[in-house]
Amino acid sequence: EVQLVQSGAEVKKPGESLKISCKGSGYTFTSYWIAWVRQMPGKGLEWMGIIYPGDSEARYSPSFLGQVSISADKSISTAYLQWSSLKASDTAMYYCARLEDTEHDYWGQGTLVTVSS
Amino acid sequence: SSELTQDPAVSVALGQTVRITCQGDSLRSYYASWYQQKPGQAPVLVIYGKNNRPSGIPDRFSGSGSGNTASLTITGAQAEDEADYYCNSRDSSGGGYVFGTGTEVTVL
Repeated sequence: EVQLVQSGAEVKKPGESLKISCKGSGYTFTSYWIAWVRQMPGKGLEWMGIIYPGDSEARYSPSFLGQVSISADKSISTAYLQWSSLKASDTAMYYCARLEDTEHDYWGQGTLVTVSS
Repeated sequence: SSELTQDPAVSVALGQTVRITCQGDSLRSYYASWYQQKPGQAPVLVIYGKNNRPSGIPDRFSGSGSGNTASLTITGAQAEDEADYYCNSRDSSGGGYVFGTGTEVTVL
């Protein structure tokens, strides 16, 4: 059974750094792209970027380029989304999803990030 | 980057048919996929490719497309279909993806 399990909720202060994770199981982790998706409170889905764990190639939406960093550690089947300096506007639910061909077929349960002073 | 535009909200009577549309230039080159999201839950893929349903998705869900518009149709809407629906496609550059603005479906 394909599963993506994300790390737990985080509460951070503005300016702090953060790295959240998404661990894949039940499939060959290195053979599928992993996408990250943001959903701000009460808003729609926003596609942030993807990473191919096989070679760590990452691509970013222009809206998120330079704002976050996407990485992966194929030895532990885990993808990451990282911020170096959080802002209040980063408060959102973040989802990871597996990309099968052109569709996001399996999703993690989401990680809620709250940034507040 | 590309944009995909959806109507913000639609309503449908129980058992009737509703069509949700998604417009964008990238749809002239790429298929859309569709996602259902219920409150407090992660999105679920319901339609992908030309008109494919993942295992477990009822056959009342179907997809189509023409020109710059993709459509998701629910034929015989059920109460459990009440949710937000998002389209998604590659962006115009082909390197990334973009979500539509989302449609809230209410089943009356």
